[in-house]
Amino acid sequence: KTQVEQSPQSLVVRQGENCVLQCNYSVTPDNHLRWFKQDTGKGLVSLTVLVDQKDKTSNGRYSATLDKDAKHSTLHITATLLDDTATYICVVGDRGSALGRLHFGAGTQLIVIP
Amino acid sequence: DMKVTQMPRYLIKRMGENVLLECGQDMSHETMYWYRQDPGLGLQLIYISYDVDSNSEGDIPKGYRVSRKKREHFSLILDSAKTNQTSVYFCASRSGTGVSGNTLYFGEGSRLIVV
Repeated sequence: KTQVEQSPQSLVVRQGENCVLQCNYSVTPDNHLRWFKQDTGKGLVSLTVLVDQKDKTSNGRYSATLDKDAKHSTLHITATLLDDTATYICVVGDRGSALGRLHFGAGTQLIVIP
Repeated sequence: DMKVTQMPRYLIKRMGENVLLECGQDMSHETMYWYRQDPGLGLQLIYISYDVDSNSEGDIPKGYRVSRKKREHFSLILDSAKTNQTSVYFCASRSGTGVSGNTLYFGEGSRLIVV
């Protein structure tokens, strides 16, 4: 059973609009949560990592939240650009060390149109 | 420049042939991973390596083996490739210890087609 569910599966927005991507998970324990960006045909690039029970991070136009009680995270992208077109992947780690496992969502495909 | 390099990037093999996928990193990271990515699924862990000659099976190790003789180099081997091993394979390495002080670095993927 998939332990990390992302929604929507795909999303089309116009350049300049804001968007919100969702991540729900059932991984236990949930030590931390990461968001990655994957351009078509490329590897994953880390955007942010969330650690605390209720956490918020900000990285330029990307901001993310985590609520471990709800096992839910959001990734907000403000003022989208054409270069934001990519797949965004939510990853939950069950431990802080390398001994832990990473649980990957299938991703949300974001398409930004002019 | 921190980088994970995968070779080859694209590969077509016949069923039953052997496949060697290579991964290198220039960051002296101890931990390295091999994943495969299939449409509609999250990345699945094939093998993890904690250091030279310290490898552990992931969630889907069947049909694969690995080799890590140098810290900077981690190979994935398919002995007698099968058509269901057609996939995109990603190598990753991890810096540091704990969560906040470490980052995962991914290669750009090796696209394998088995016919």
